[in-house]
Formats: sequence, C-alpha cells, structure tokens
Amino acid sequence: DSGVTQTPKHLITATGQRVTLRCSPRSGDLSVYWYQQSLDQGLQFLIQYYNGEERAKGNILERFSAQQFPDLHSELNLSSLELGDSALYFCASSEGQGAFGQPQHFGDGTRLSIL
Amino acid sequence: GESVGLHLPTLSVQEGDNSIINCAYSNSASDYFIWYKQESGKGPQFIIDIRSNMDKRQGQRVTVLLNKTVKHLSLQIAATQPGDSAVYFCAENRPGGYNKLIFGAGTRLAVHP
Repeated sequence: DSGVTQTPKHLITATGQRVTLRCSPRSGDLSVYWYQQSLDQGLQFLIQYYNGEERAKGNILERFSAQQFPDLHSELNLSSLELGDSALYFCASSEGQGAFGQPQHFGDGTRLSIL
Repeated sequence: GESVGLHLPTLSVQEGDNSIINCAYSNSASDYFIWYKQESGKGPQFIIDIRSNMDKRQGQRVTVLLNKTVKHLSLQIAATQPGDSAVYFCAENRPGGYNKLIFGAGTRLAVHP
C-alpha cells in the first residue's frame, strides 16, 4: 500500500460530461502529480502541485484542470469528455517539490470509461 | 483488470533465474532515474532509484545499473519469483523539471514455474 488514495476506482460516463477525480497524498507529502495512462501511450505526466500551488505542467488539455486544497488533497476535473479520454488516471505524491528528483508514490488509479 | 500496454515487449524467464530489464533514456541531462513495477489493476510501485553520479545501486534482490555514456539503464532481479511478474517502467527526471518524470514504454516480465 503506497499510502496514496484515489477515488473513485471506476467511472463510467458519456461524451460531453464532466467528472472529478480525487486524490489524497501520503501523509507528509506536499507534492501531488497527475498522470494519464492509456494503452497506446503509456504514462503521461499531466500536472504537478506543491503545497497548493501549480509547479509543473505536462501535456494537459485545456478541458482538464486540477487544484490542490489546503488539506493537500487534489482534484482533477475533466470536462467536455471525449471517447479518447478513456484511460487510467493516476495520482502520485512526493515529499517535496522534487527539484532534484525524488521518488513519487502512486495510487491505484481511477479507470475512466467514456461511452 | 484490463492489461496495460498489450503490445509491450515481453521478457520470459524461468522461476529462480535472474532477469535483466533494459531501458534506453532520451536526455543526456537527466539526473535521476527510477524503476517502477506495475501489476495488473494497480498503480506503479517504486522499486529502486539512482542518481546520475552513481553507476550502480543495490536493493533487496534488485540492482540498477546506469551507463551514462550510452544513456542506458538496466534493472537486474535476482532469483526471479512468480510474484515478480508485472510490467516494469523506467523513468527519468530532467533537471529543472520539478520532478516531472518521463516514463519509458515498459517491459512485461513473465515468470514461468
């Protein structure tokens, strides 16, 4: 058990809808990262937050947004969903900002299926 | 759960043998590397890491080797067990990237009794 909690485990919704994925980091970790994993593209970094502030952005679509709250949990919001958004979404956390590299610990993900 | 990376390269080994999983990374400036193990239906699990000022690091039954000259990373698993069956990913951290890990495509390890 990594200590990172993601909810829900599964989400099934339709095109055009909006969903929110939730992540609670490991106790003591200040950074939260979001990744997308699809069958044909592997693990893709989306965005990082550190202590409530956005730190780094990857290939995150404009339809997607995230935030980190004062209690350090994070939410990833996906809107105007398309079939291609079907994927596993992972949250990871680490102790610091990770400027010099440090382990990220992953939750078990949310499987999003768009019908 | 649904398998990740259905078309990943697969390494098949016999239980008890040693396994070597290879990874080529892309950026010569990358300064930190991690190996992850992902079992079906679960998130990536941290195995071992290494910084670019090292060539080798050992853990419990695992060793990571780093060859910066050819930008190559390998994970050696001693006495492979059925529980080692999973997809293995290497990831690199690029300087200034605030720990934005770039993941490789992954290798599936299949351990046969």
